[in-house]
Amino acid sequence: DIQLTQSPSFLSASVGDRVTITCRASQGISSYLAWYQQKPGKAPKLLIYAASTLQSGVPSRFSGSGSGTEFTLTISSLQPEDFATYYCQQLNSYPRVFGPGTKVDIK
Amino acid sequence: QLQLQESGPGLVKPSETLSLTCTVSGGSISSSSYYWGWIRQPPGKGLEWIGSIYYSGSTYYNPSLKSRVTISVDTSKNQFSLKLSSVTAADTAVYYCARGSSWSKDAFDIWGQGTMVTVSS
Repeated sequence: DIQLTQSPSFLSASVGDRVTITCRASQGISSYLAWYQQKPGKAPKLLIYAASTLQSGVPSRFSGSGSGTEFTLTISSLQPEDFATYYCQQLNSYPRVFGPGTKVDIK
Repeated sequence: QLQLQESGPGLVKPSETLSLTCTVSGGSISSSSYYWGWIRQPPGKGLEWIGSIYYSGSTYYNPSLKSRVTISVDTSKNQFSLKLSSVTAADTAVYYCARGSSWSKDAFDIWGQGTMVTVSS
């Protein structure tokens, strides 16, 4: 089974900062990776699919890149509503595991 | 606007079977462009994919839960369901149902609000 790791696990940042989160897969998954945002007490929300395609309605400050085993989610200018936990998920094969998450907190 | 809503008991006794239903509204569950899944999240922890079911009836389960999980679809009611047998306290979690879409390369693009299930006697 494919395993996903995320780094960092926790990130403290300020409004306006550029933030980058990395997701690594234990084996190549082409571009079959999605990113989700989850706020406390809420369901996850799809941000990016196919590694770099922005889901409809998601602000353009979010972007994704990568292929194979290494992927990044970048927030170009962190906004107050972006403080949340971010998860990656591989969609190349079953089981469709999620990464452990990266919590982005206010500095 | 398609919406998903989980329903079922909020409290299940150890060794019993957890049963949840996800009702799909605002669209049909019978489309080859979509599939349906269950994901859970223990308190304070990350997301765990439980399993998925396709229009064809094909199912895929998390190997760690496979011996205890059954996912099924009732097209007449526009619902899909999760059954998890022999539950323990470790199965206490918020359970989400979600839609996977070929348009988003299989990512879960629509989620239910989640339902908390506690396993306790």
